[in-house]
Amino acid sequence: SQTIHQWPATLVQPVGSPLSLECTVEGTSNPNLYWYRQAAGRGLQLLFYSVGIGQISSEVPQNLSASRPQDRQFILSSKKLLLSDSGFYLCAWRTARGTDTQYFGPGTRLTVL
Amino acid sequence: GQNIDQPTEMTATEGAIVQINCTYQTSGFNGLFWYQQHAGEAPTFLSYNVLDGLEEKGRFSSFLSRSKGYSYLLLKELQMKDSASYLCAVRLPGLNDYKLSFGAGTTVTVRA
Repeated sequence: SQTIHQWPATLVQPVGSPLSLECTVEGTSNPNLYWYRQAAGRGLQLLFYSVGIGQISSEVPQNLSASRPQDRQFILSSKKLLLSDSGFYLCAWRTARGTDTQYFGPGTRLTVL
Repeated sequence: GQNIDQPTEMTATEGAIVQINCTYQTSGFNGLFWYQQHAGEAPTFLSYNVLDGLEEKGRFSSFLSRSKGYSYLLLKELQMKDSASYLCAVRLPGLNDYKLSFGAGTTVTVRA
């Protein structure tokens, strides 16, 4: 069976500090991977998605970036965090073929102070 | 932009039925998902509708009308554990992949 991991689970960072969030998927090959952000009381906003190693599509201009160094690893980064970057960050995956459903990881709660 | 509208909050009594409506106006449509999200947790998949009609899965049912841009999620025999946020998401067409556009979610509170 497939599982998705995210770490850390929670993070408190000062404004201007760097960020690195990691997502890994087990039990599947060549998944499509996604990063979402959920601000308090708001819907999920798609930030980035990837259909393969080194292939990143950005949805929203911002000070965040994403990378996919390995098939089942997806990283979200920032060089300098803003207060507005606070939120619940969710990684999701789906198989490239077959089921259409996206499955979410446990999420990272980020607070920027 | 994409417009996906859901009521913000709903309250119902244990054992009752609640219907959560979702209307959408999007640039393309390839299906509609419903997810359940408990506070502080990740969304979990409930249902996926591509064709018009009703899909039933135990206590949960989902309906779709593509011509009306409308869906609903029906929760029967409500239990306390059903208290959660319910997210409606439209699958947008894509060449190599697809994207989901989410509504803001409906918070359902089940009272004893």
